[in-house]
Amino acid sequence: ETGVTQTPRHLVMGMTNKKSLKCEQHLGHNAMYWYKQSAKKPLELMFVYNFKEQTENNSVPSRFSPECPNSSHLFLHLHTLQPEDSALYLCASSHLIGWAGGDETQYFGPGTRLLVL
Amino acid sequence: AQSVAQPEDQVNVAEGNPLTVKCTYSVSGNPYLFWYVQYPNRGLQFLLKYITGDNLVKGSYGFEAEFNKSQTSFHLKKPSALVSDSALYFCAVRAAAEISGNTPLVFGKGTRLSVIA
Repeated sequence: ETGVTQTPRHLVMGMTNKKSLKCEQHLGHNAMYWYKQSAKKPLELMFVYNFKEQTENNSVPSRFSPECPNSSHLFLHLHTLQPEDSALYLCASSHLIGWAGGDETQYFGPGTRLLVL
Repeated sequence: AQSVAQPEDQVNVAEGNPLTVKCTYSVSGNPYLFWYVQYPNRGLQFLLKYITGDNLVKGSYGFEAEFNKSQTSFHLKKPSALVSDSALYFCAVRAAAEISGNTPLVFGKGTRLSVIA
């Protein structure tokens, strides 16, 4: 395993539900990412957090709300989702570029498979 | 703007034969290049990267990739394919490090490798 865990691994929710995805990294990294992976589409970067501060929001609808309480934990809060939001949601972490000469490779969790009914 | 092209959706190869998965990129300045592999129902797993130095990079599980600046390519290779190499392979690129902050990775759409016994 890579040192990045995600829960739950599978989630089925209705369009009116509220749920949260959780990501935790045990690698001492200071940057964390949310990606969306849909069938037949390239991997989409959703959010980037550096030192708990959001630095990237790639035009993601407001029904997705990220939270990064510390550099080890990242959440994705979901509410009033649409069926087209069904996908694999991947979390990743890395060192910040130039941070003490650290390895800047992104390491991924196993993902949460989300189905919106 | 950064971009990555993986021209083949699917690559089929017989077990024991050499394999190549193609990747070309476009980036301003020097590139950082990565290959990841994704097995079914799993997250992306880091294979290898090129940052600087030797153009031939060796990675996990006997994979290697060659950085070719003139052709802006970073093809993934393995001398002898195994059935267990069957998976989805992603190439990714980002521009060389800025002084601070993180430049997000841009991923290709993936190439499905099928190794036939």
